[in-house]
Amino acid sequence: AQSVTQPDIHITVSEGASLELRCNYSYGATPYLFWYVQSPGQGLQLLLKYFSGDTLVQGIKGFEAEFKRSQSSFNLRKPSVHWSDAAEYFCAVTWYNNNDMRFGAGTRLTVKP
Amino acid sequence: NAGVTQTPKFQVLKTGQSMTLQCAQDMNHNSMYWYRQDPGMGLRLIYYSASEGTTDKGEVPNGYNVSRLNKREFSLRLESAAPSQTSVYFCASSEAGTGDQPQHFGDGTRLSIL
Repeated sequence: AQSVTQPDIHITVSEGASLELRCNYSYGATPYLFWYVQSPGQGLQLLLKYFSGDTLVQGIKGFEAEFKRSQSSFNLRKPSVHWSDAAEYFCAVTWYNNNDMRFGAGTRLTVKP
Repeated sequence: NAGVTQTPKFQVLKTGQSMTLQCAQDMNHNSMYWYRQDPGMGLRLIYYSASEGTTDKGEVPNGYNVSRLNKREFSLRLESAAPSQTSVYFCASSEAGTGDQPQHFGDGTRLSIL
């Protein structure tokens, strides 16, 4: 079955430090990959998406992610974290002509002053 | 600029009661979805509607029914609520159900079943 794994349940970083959130997927064909962010009491907001082409994709709020087919990974990065980035981050995967989007369990990010 | 609107935002039910969660989108999207979010499990798809007039089961459909009332509205019904259905429910929509369209989410309905 298709699945998404986010190995880190909770990450704490200092403001201004770099960030990498990990995501691995399990699926045979070429996936469509997404990162969403959720602030407390809110719905999910799309950060970025990958369908094909350049494996490094840029998103909103200074985030980027890199698709590595050989590692089945789609890790999210940010060079310098801001206090407002504290939230929960979800990786999601689907594929061509499919409505069944699968989400990882999420990584909660805490930012220390 | 409403996007996806869910009502109610909070609800407490007793076991065995029924309830309908409402969802409406104003983006003229074709596809709509219902998810539940439980701690440590991410979001799981309950039902979706690829287009007006169609609905299909997702990963966790048992205990739920849906109705695509028109292009804008997609409701989720719990006929006989159970404590295991305590969760946060999210409605989402996308332009099409082709996989490559991002989904837009409402703010959720927090449902407690006693």
